[in-house]
Amino acid sequence: SYVLTQSPSVSVAPGKTARISCGGNNIGSKSVHWYQQRPGQAPVLVISYDTDRPSGVSERFSGSISANTATLTISRVEVGDEADYYCQVWDSSSDHVVFGGGTKLTVL
Amino acid sequence: EVQLLESGGGLVQPGGSLRLSCAASGFTFLNYAMSWVRQAPGKGLEWVSVISGSGTGTYYADSAKGRFTISRDYSKNTLYLQMNSLRVEDTATYFCARAYSMSSELDYWGQGILVTVSS
Repeated sequence: SYVLTQSPSVSVAPGKTARISCGGNNIGSKSVHWYQQRPGQAPVLVISYDTDRPSGVSERFSGSISANTATLTISRVEVGDEADYYCQVWDSSSDHVVFGGGTKLTVL
Repeated sequence: EVQLLESGGGLVQPGGSLRLSCAASGFTFLNYAMSWVRQAPGKGLEWVSVISGSGTGTYYADSAKGRFTISRDYSKNTLYLQMNSLRVEDTATYFCARAYSMSSELDYWGQGILVTVSS
């Protein structure tokens, strides 16, 4: 089955840029979606189809993708961005939704 | 406004059954696929199952296949997850989520409902 790999944690100072990566075999051929989950809350979609930002999501959030890595970039990080972030794809070979293990973003 | 409200969670013994419901409002239920996603305490997100907008297509995670059944009632705009032969490892918060299609992003999520499997 398809596997998405995320670093468990990323730390960044307020005002700096955070980059959260998501690795997968030939992930560049898939559509990657990103979710933010604050403690005790439901996940919220922040990036869809690799780079699209849903209405209402801050322009500080952006996505990019290469052959084997997708990246969520958060510019000018704020304390309120502290959360868990998950990448997700649809694996057409198994007809499964697949989530990465999640990355905990800590704002120092 | 899109709203998804889960219900039916609670404490159940190993081997028991539970049916979760997800009441949908604010959108045309028939036009969207729906998924169940769970999260064990302190763990990451785990996809459980998805059903197409028409209800004719369903897929399950290996952990759910043969034990869980996803379904939907268009007269009630409600999504269901029938869970049988429950195991301790099924303990989690269960979220329902909307998607334009089975392979697309999950654009709206419910607040989740806790299922605890314990003797």
